[in-house]
Amino acid sequence: GAGVSQSPRYKVAKRGQDVALRCDPISGHVSLFWYQQALGQGPEFLTYFQNEAQLDKSGLPSDRFFAERPEGSVSTLKIQRTQQEDSAVYLCASSPVPPKHRGAGGNTIYFGEGSWLTVV
Amino acid sequence: GENVEQHPSTLSVQEGDSAVIKCTYSDSASNYFPWYKQELGKGPQLIIDIRSNVGEKKDQRIAVTLNKTAKHFSLHITETQPEDSAVYFCAASDSWGKLQFGAGTQVVVTP
Repeated sequence: GAGVSQSPRYKVAKRGQDVALRCDPISGHVSLFWYQQALGQGPEFLTYFQNEAQLDKSGLPSDRFFAERPEGSVSTLKIQRTQQEDSAVYLCASSPVPPKHRGAGGNTIYFGEGSWLTVV
Repeated sequence: GENVEQHPSTLSVQEGDSAVIKCTYSDSASNYFPWYKQELGKGPQLIIDIRSNVGEKKDQRIAVTLNKTAKHFSLHITETQPEDSAVYFCAASDSWGKLQFGAGTQVVVTP
């Protein structure tokens, strides 16, 4: 597709339920990121993939959060036993090339429309 | 880690006036500084970015300046229009692309 595609766009989950959020990055993009955005705040980094390798998961808030990208394209963010504090927009982003040498500058990152999760 | 501060949190301007949003960052290793516009119910949309080897960049009514010595960068929107109303986020990252965002600026352009 033309942009980063996320599904579902909206999800209401009962507390304790497991959810899975899907991200289709821009075709051919090597880098994939997940961010969490609480209402009225800026996005917060969750995790980063380069192809199928998860190189940084330092932002995942607890071991209930798990992300995968098994074939280096589509990614899934899974949240187990959802809690009310998990309510947020989950944003996926992708970037076309692997990281450049430090000092040469970063790579343009494109965001999807997000998956809005409400835990009741 | 990187910390990005953004000011002001809200900005109200008359149509046709200019809007300026300022950000500071803490990590001297950061070398990529994008700006995103986010409308209600949508994901962040990249509007302009600047890399550390450049001091200023302009794209039509939008310009960004970077002062690496002072660790601050700014977004300038000239001749504002009602469709510029949105939340704007600055961000900073190192070369591999992990973005640290500011808290956002709600811009309201009144006709």
